[in-house]
Amino acid sequence: AAGVIQSPRHLIKEKRETATLKCYPIPRHDTVYWYQQGPGQDPQFLISFYEKMQSDKGSIPDRFSAQQFSDYHSELNMSSLELGDSALYFCASSLLAGGQTDTQYFGPGTRLTVL
Amino acid sequence: AQSVTQLGSHVSVSEGALVLLRCNYSSSVPPYLFWYVQYPNQGLQLLLKYTSAATLVKGINGFEAEFKKSETSFHLTKPSAHMSDAAEYFCAVSWSGGKLTFGQGTILTVHP
Repeated sequence: AAGVIQSPRHLIKEKRETATLKCYPIPRHDTVYWYQQGPGQDPQFLISFYEKMQSDKGSIPDRFSAQQFSDYHSELNMSSLELGDSALYFCASSLLAGGQTDTQYFGPGTRLTVL
Repeated sequence: AQSVTQLGSHVSVSEGALVLLRCNYSSSVPPYLFWYVQYPNQGLQLLLKYTSAATLVKGINGFEAEFKKSETSFHLTKPSAHMSDAAEYFCAVSWSGGKLTFGQGTILTVHP
């Protein structure tokens, strides 16, 4: 079965640079979530999109932005990178059927290292 | 604030022994509950989920969890541990029909 695809898998950037992370949800899934997992930490919710509209927002810095495109893939844009942004970034997708919570399926993650 | 607590950041068991990983949530309204497993340098894989049907939920790889409303708990168990079960386990909840709130994670070590 098709899974959530994230690219790139690894990314190394310098401080103050910009990074773009991409997420391709499971086909026919309409909702995408982004999470950030710092070293030794649990995943923290950043932002989500339903049918290409932002549906919820968590502790996402103003330096970060995201969007979901017409083909349902999503991109997380991160500017003015800081050392503290080094983390594993997960994308998850789900099918929000009937307005009820459905299972979120996670991608393999993008490991961002900021030097 | 609503929260999820996993008691014990590290659990160590012998191969063949019972696995018990604890999860408690704080809420008067039963949420949707999930257990995910994360192997080193990999993503989160769903083990099982509770969505207000049967209180005893069976998942993959022989794991199961029981929802106890009176105790606001959703502990994960497996009767007999296998070496391949060594990983980090996350309990997660969703109250608002979307984003997941994760517990701090429990690292399971299985020794021969």
